[in-house]
Amino acid sequence: AQTVTQSQPEMSVQEAETVTLSCTYDTSENNYYLFWYKQPPSRQMILVIRQEAYKQQNATENRFSVNFQKAAKSFSLKISDSQLGDTAMYFCASPILDSNYQLIWGAGTKLIIKP
Amino acid sequence: EAQVTQNPRYLITVTGKKLTVTCSQNMNHEYMSWYRQDPGLGLRQIYYSMNVEVTDKGDVPEGYKVSRKEKRNFPLILESPSPNQTSLYFCASSPGGAGDTQYFGPGTRLTVL
Repeated sequence: AQTVTQSQPEMSVQEAETVTLSCTYDTSENNYYLFWYKQPPSRQMILVIRQEAYKQQNATENRFSVNFQKAAKSFSLKISDSQLGDTAMYFCASPILDSNYQLIWGAGTKLIIKP
Repeated sequence: EAQVTQNPRYLITVTGKKLTVTCSQNMNHEYMSWYRQDPGLGLRQIYYSMNVEVTDKGDVPEGYKVSRKEKRNFPLILESPSPNQTSLYFCASSPGGAGDTQYFGPGTRLTVL
């Protein structure tokens, strides 16, 4: 069965530091999208960033960027200048093989930003 | 405001008592989906719908039913809930399929006693 692995169940950093959350996946699709979603204590799931696999350039959204290593099937999320509001669960997701309608999700990384 | 709404937000019920969790989106999205979230397991898909009257099973469909009679609504039905269906449930929608950004509802915390 396909898997998405987030190897860090929990991380904590000081405010303003940079932190990297790891994610590996094993889809065999040729063209696909990868996602990072954030779930703050409010429980609302919010898209952080999306990466198109056929694009060489890593996606960036303000303080959030990805390090996408297609050959290694690695999709890590870097948060620069971390803020207290970044405290949340972070989930990565990749498509299920041969499906345009399903994602498989990692178990999540709980990130705590300390003041 | 573009949004996905779910009701109820919290529900405590007893084994075997049929219940429905409603989901509605106002973005004219084709795709809608239901997930359950359990600690240490991330999100698991229950059912999804590609369009009106078109639904398909996700990873964990047992014990659940859905319908998509209108584009905006995608209710989740538990005909005979059991304690192992105690979970946090999310409805989501997107313009197309899983390659598009999904917009999530606020979640429904269900407890089955």
